[in-house]
Amino acid sequence: GAGVSQSPSNKVTEKGKDVELRCDPISGHTALYWYRQSLGQGLEFLIYFQGNSAPDKSGLPSDRFSAERTGGSVSTLTIQRTQQEDSAVYLCASSPRTSAQSSYEQYFGPGTRLTVT
Amino acid sequence: EDKVVQSPLSLVVHEGDTVTLNCSYEVTNFRSLLWYKQEKKAPTFLFMLTSSGIEKKSGRLSSILDKKELFSILNITATQTGDSAVYLCAVRGHSNYQLIWGAGTKLIIKP
Repeated sequence: GAGVSQSPSNKVTEKGKDVELRCDPISGHTALYWYRQSLGQGLEFLIYFQGNSAPDKSGLPSDRFSAERTGGSVSTLTIQRTQQEDSAVYLCASSPRTSAQSSYEQYFGPGTRLTVT
Repeated sequence: EDKVVQSPLSLVVHEGDTVTLNCSYEVTNFRSLLWYKQEKKAPTFLFMLTSSGIEKKSGRLSSILDKKELFSILNITATQTGDSAVYLCAVRGHSNYQLIWGAGTKLIIKP
């Protein structure tokens, strides 16, 4: 099957507008992650989904950021009233499961480059 | 606070050289350390290390973990221009799912 897909690949928006970013994980992967990566920086964790629930939203930088996942599959990350500091690449990753006993890799999508002007 | 530190931040070498990238960590209840290669946007998985002293190898790339000294190295021998990328290190600690990421090492291979 296909890998993780994200859309759009690039988004330019004006400051103050809302944006929606979409992630379609690998089929059957129950865990889904959103990260943000600013230029020259490492990955900043935003939110994690196990199935449709988000047990950890601790990484969301402000209440302008929200995410949902429906049907245990597609997820959308919404940023309201965008600010210039929101400009970054937003990466989505999925993995088959979580387990206290095992470790496993995350499979990343190509990302969405968001530019707020 | 858990942290992962990679060094150097950037490295420029010539094709054919051997490079060693470093990743040190301070993470509660360490479980595993992962290396990723990021060429454009999507990081791609290279290695996962859980035990000290056991080398993981894939072609010209190899990696080893030292859980006593809390670091890992990624070696690339006979480098090629296609090895140019950002190499990311991430550690799984007490969380079942959250990875703590280093800032990456930007590797440039000159022909």
